[in-house]
Amino acid sequence: DTGVSQDPRHKITKRGQNVTFRCDPISEHNRLYWYRQTLGQGPEFLTYFQNEAQLEKSRLLSDRFSAERPKGSFSTLEIQRTEQGDSAMYLCASSRMWRSYNEQFFGPGTRLTVL
Amino acid sequence: DAKTTQPNSMESNEEEPVHLPCNHSTISGTDYIHWYRQLPSQGPEYVIHGLTSNVNNRMASLAIAEDRKSSTLILHRATLRDAAVYYCIPRGSNTGKLIFGQGTTLQVKP
Repeated sequence: DTGVSQDPRHKITKRGQNVTFRCDPISEHNRLYWYRQTLGQGPEFLTYFQNEAQLEKSRLLSDRFSAERPKGSFSTLEIQRTEQGDSAMYLCASSRMWRSYNEQFFGPGTRLTVL
Repeated sequence: DAKTTQPNSMESNEEEPVHLPCNHSTISGTDYIHWYRQLPSQGPEYVIHGLTSNVNNRMASLAIAEDRKSSTLILHRATLRDAAVYYCIPRGSNTGKLIFGQGTTLQVKP
């Protein structure tokens, strides 16, 4: 257990439905990241926050995806009008500071299946 | 972002050393070299990082070539728990994100 928690661990939904995932980072970490991982591939970066500010979004993050981190604590990732191609593991990570050598601590992920 | 080349898979026997290579010939001078691993059904976990000098920690050692165009992760005595996908990630000083490649799948045989 790294101290990063994600909820739910599994989500099955029908195409066209909206889903929301939650990530609780390690409490003193000010950076929070979201990644997506499909079967057999390495994780792909989606977006990250420093405190409550969203500093970067990947081009992979279409308009159907939105992420928030109110008050710089937990974060939510919402996918609207889900598509089958959204089926993946969604990983959250946090780190203490922004320097390039600071390790990221990953949560267990939320596995999304879109039927 | 620097590109990396790693073997798709490697095998090792339990309790033997393992050397996992990574080529990152386009690495910039300020990029740190990070290694993460991902055990089955888990999120990635940090293993080690370095800039220029070789590094050791309780999990592994990292040997960095003098020209920094390649590095090798060394597991001194592989255990069954070390079976995972190992990712080599050059990481820029101005970005927090990790760019994962395909990684090397390490199998450890008893």
